[in-house]
Amino acid sequence: SQQGEEDPQALSIQEGENATMNCSYKTSINNLQWYRQNSGRGLVHLILIRSNEREKHSGRLRVTLDTSKKSSSLLITASRAADTASYFCATDPRPGRSLQAGNMLTFGGGTRLMVKP
Amino acid sequence: KAGVTQTPRYLIKTRGQQVTLSCSPISGHRSVSWYQQTPGQGLQFLFEYFSETQRNKGNFPGRFSGRQFSNSRSEMNVSTLELGDSALYLCASSLVAGGITDTQYFGPGTRLTVL
Repeated sequence: SQQGEEDPQALSIQEGENATMNCSYKTSINNLQWYRQNSGRGLVHLILIRSNEREKHSGRLRVTLDTSKKSSSLLITASRAADTASYFCATDPRPGRSLQAGNMLTFGGGTRLMVKP
Repeated sequence: KAGVTQTPRYLIKTRGQQVTLSCSPISGHRSVSWYQQTPGQGLQFLFEYFSETQRNKGNFPGRFSGRQFSNSRSEMNVSTLELGDSALYLCASSLVAGGITDTQYFGPGTRLTVL
């Protein structure tokens, strides 16, 4: 089962416009991560926001986290054709600080973003 | 630093065969995770290895197995292939070995097609 669900599933915008993608998750989290995937390739890490953070910026990216609503949003400002990709949110599905060490992520279904030149 | 590498990049097999995929993590990374990506199920966690030990396992049948070597390189094996095993298999490595998942660095993936 998927921990996160992205909304919308697909988004088409013109170059220069802003793109906003939303993610909802089910259990409590330690952090939430956003990844980008260009068609059929590996994932690229974009940003990690911890549960005690509300907003984080990285270049043209802005991520917000609302733990009370179990939701996050990714904003890409001044979009470019090169931003065309699928965007995924991901969380560690183990609630709280797990006694079991390790790395594991549960991904949402992703938002397919198309930026038209 | 070189990124995560996966070999082969593409693979075609027939039902009933077995397959081995390889992943070399970023130098210094000791945690290696494997994910399966399909159009129907999306990205799903398979398992994670650290110091040659499997620490976490996703909800996949026993036909899916893996191992890690002393140099942190990892392999995953799928036996008795089924059509539904056709997928992009992604490997990710991580520097942090604690209880909270940190940034994962992904390889380009191996595209497996089962005929």
